[in-house]
Amino acid sequence: ETGVTQSPTHLIKTRGQQVTLRCSSQSGHNTVSWYQQALGQGPQFIFQYYREEENGRGNFPPRFSGLQFPNYSSELNVNALELDDSALYLCASSQGQTQETQYFGPGTRLLVL
Amino acid sequence: AQSVTQPDIHITVSEGASLELRCNYSYGATPYLFWYVQSPGQGLQLLLKYFSGDTLVQGIKGFEAEFKRSQSSFNLRKPSVHWSDAAEYFCAVVPRQGAQKLVFGQGTRLTINP
Repeated sequence: ETGVTQSPTHLIKTRGQQVTLRCSSQSGHNTVSWYQQALGQGPQFIFQYYREEENGRGNFPPRFSGLQFPNYSSELNVNALELDDSALYLCASSQGQTQETQYFGPGTRLLVL
Repeated sequence: AQSVTQPDIHITVSEGASLELRCNYSYGATPYLFWYVQSPGQGLQLLLKYFSGDTLVQGIKGFEAEFKRSQSSFNLRKPSVHWSDAAEYFCAVVPRQGAQKLVFGQGTRLTINP
């Protein structure tokens, strides 16, 4: 059984650019959640996808968008990058829509210059 | 306002000493409760969780946590810490109603003295 994987591990972008982060969910999981963790902070919920549909969204602007594919892998897209978008982006997978335990990937470290 | 509070930003203990990390939550109904650990530059690893039942839950790596409804607390404990326990610890909740999202505390950084 493979765990949650994320790519790339590190990324450097400049202000105004766009970025796509990828996540492969754990085998058997159909729900993916994305979190942003700024330095020295706890992770903040961005949104969740269940069976390819958005299933909840946190307090993030529309330039943060996502997709989930039929194999339950997911992408996080961020447009018009700002300096404050520099953070560790964590993906977590779980099974179902209820309060199932979420298992996290290693994260993607994004630096916006 | 609904929130999760970890009062201690940084704790230092000696190797072999006991450990208690505090977590308090403010929700109308008792949420589902979790503790995660994060090593530097890494993702989050689940230590333990409480959904219902026995209020003392056992986790991995020798950790346990006790749910106290009267105090709205879910404190993490370990009888004897090891140098490898040095990490950031996050308490998190999932509300029983609404979005199925984890709400995290600010984290407690644990340093171990040899």
